[in-house]
Formats: sequence, structure tokens, C-alpha cells
Amino acid sequence: EIVLTQSPGTLSLSPGERATLSCRASQSVDSSYLAWYQQKPGQAPRLLIYGASNRATDIPDRFSGSGSGTDFTLTISRLEPEDFAVYYCQQCDSSTFGGGTKVEIK
Amino acid sequence: EVQLVESGGGLVQPGGSLRLSCAASGFTFSDHYMDWVRQAPGKGLEWVGRSRNKAHSYRTEYSDSVKGRFTLSRDDSKNSLYLQMNSLKTEDTAVYYCVGLLTGYPYWGQGTLVTVSS
Repeated sequence: EIVLTQSPGTLSLSPGERATLSCRASQSVDSSYLAWYQQKPGQAPRLLIYGASNRATDIPDRFSGSGSGTDFTLTISRLEPEDFAVYYCQQCDSSTFGGGTKVEIK
Repeated sequence: EVQLVESGGGLVQPGGSLRLSCAASGFTFSDHYMDWVRQAPGKGLEWVGRSRNKAHSYRTEYSDSVKGRFTLSRDDSKNSLYLQMNSLKTEDTAVYYCVGLLTGYPYWGQGTLVTVSS
């Protein structure tokens, strides 16, 4: 079973700063099936990135994904007030989720 | 436009049963794998189960936490996915999401809340 570990658990940053979120797999995964989501309280997860590096429909270009093998990264280049939320990675092929990273206002 | 609409959630007593439905539109339902994912209050996302497509013999898979209690099924003629939940436990309380896997691009519904409580 593939395990996805996200770090850090919480990221405290100010608007305008850069956020770097990590998702590490316990074994090499097919990057075609690596997705990133944003979730706000009371809302369904919102797809940000699919195939490790492809932005989903209507996602701003300040969000970018990279990585391959066991190490993947979600980068938010300049945090906007609406970006403070919880972020999850998922390996869609095996249906495994990471534990999430909360991006909070410093 | 792809749409997934879940229904059937509600309050049920421990040991009871509930059947969730997911109505799909905007894509060729029969071609794609479908998942159920849940999220307990204040917790992360948990995969529940998968229904593969006709090409893969509609094979189903389940998480260990629901195996033997939950059953996935689908009706391609109605573009619908179902989750029959039996022997419900308080720890099954969660929002249940229907997810369509369209060649590596996952589409999510808005979810339906299941509360298991006496």
C-alpha cells in the first residue's frame, strides 16, 4: 500500500509570501495520477493540479505543481487571502490521500 | 459540463443501513472508474471504495474499514453510482463524496452527510 506523507502539517505565512508544500510517497508512483486539492471549511475539495503539474480548469497560475517518483511539490508563488486553506495530495491510481497541510495566516 | 450529484444521506442509528446515490452527467459514465471518498468531521479525506468500468468487469475494491459492510454498484443505463452501507457504526459519520476518474482528472460532487447516532 502506498502511503503519502505531507509536510509540514501547518504552514504559517503572510499574504504575498511563497508557499511550498511537500508530498512524499512511500514508493515510486505514476505522476500521471498525482493530484493536489484545496479545501476550505464546509466545502468540497477543489482540484488544483492533476498529472503532478497540470493546472485544473480556472486555477490561477500562481499555483504550480512539480515532481516525480516519490517527491512532489505544490507551490503557491504569492499567497492571496483566499489561499489560506487545507491542501491535500492524492495518488488517484491507488486512491491514497496525504494527511493534509494547513496554510494559515501568520 | 461534468456534474456529480450525491443523495441519500441522513441520520441513521448504529447498526442501521443507508443507500447513497450519485447521479452523473456530462461524460460517458460507462467508460470510467468511480470512487466514493469520505471525510469525518474535522478529519482528512479517506477513500472508501472503487467501481471499475465495464472494460474491467465492473470490479470493485474497498478500504479495510468498510469491507464486508459496504457495497458499491453502478447502473450505466442510468449513469448512476450507488453505495449500500450496512451495519453502520458511529465512526462512519462523514460527508460522502462521489468522484469520477476521467483519465487522471478527478471530478468531485458536493457530498452528502451521513450521521450515525442513537
